[in-house]
Amino acid sequence: DAKTTQPTSMDCAEGRAANLPCNHSTISGNEYVYWYRQIHSQGPQYIIHGLKNNETNEMASLIITEDRKSSTLILPHATLRDTAVYYCIVRVRGNYQLIWGAGTKLIIKP
Amino acid sequence: DTEVTQTPKHLVMGMTNKKSLKCEQHMGHRAMYWYKQKAKKPPELMFVYSYEKLSINESVPSRFSPECPNSSLLNLHLHALQPEDSALYLCASSQDPAGVRTGELFFGEGSRLTVL
Repeated sequence: DAKTTQPTSMDCAEGRAANLPCNHSTISGNEYVYWYRQIHSQGPQYIIHGLKNNETNEMASLIITEDRKSSTLILPHATLRDTAVYYCIVRVRGNYQLIWGAGTKLIIKP
Repeated sequence: DTEVTQTPKHLVMGMTNKKSLKCEQHMGHRAMYWYKQKAKKPPELMFVYSYEKLSINESVPSRFSPECPNSSLLNLHLHALQPEDSALYLCASSQDPAGVRTGELFFGEGSRLTVL
């Protein structure tokens, strides 16, 4: 199974775009990239996922490189409530198992 | 209703106690999951139920016993636990049991378990 690598922590100013990188250099063709976040003392929350095309929803954008070896989650206008641990995850299509990265602790500063 | 509800939120138990964690969802989801999360670590999958049948047991010790009484409820029975079992236990559900389509999981807020 592919593994993911993320920076341990990042800071971002409130109102700016937060760009969270993830490396998944061993990803295979049938593995999706998922992002979840976990706000302190809460359960993880789904953000977005993609296979090879860039994706956007009301929460974030996901940019996947053409070779699929890395991706970036973009929170376009970060707020203090976006302070959380963000997990980059790989999942094989049709498989229950999520391969979780160690997570990036994102701190949004006023 | 897009919630997964877990009770209790906090549980303290001795090593000889028997207790249960409960999870409920009313989204019509057909897959339900138990995860264990230690501090500063990502969640680890324990069990998966698909259409009320146990489909995955990730080599979890028998002191943890899952039960799925119906499509909305999931229990985790605890007996003779060890202090190292202290963790946050997360329940999740998903619409698509095979994970073929979105695979999006909805998580509850967790039950924080302390074993003395």
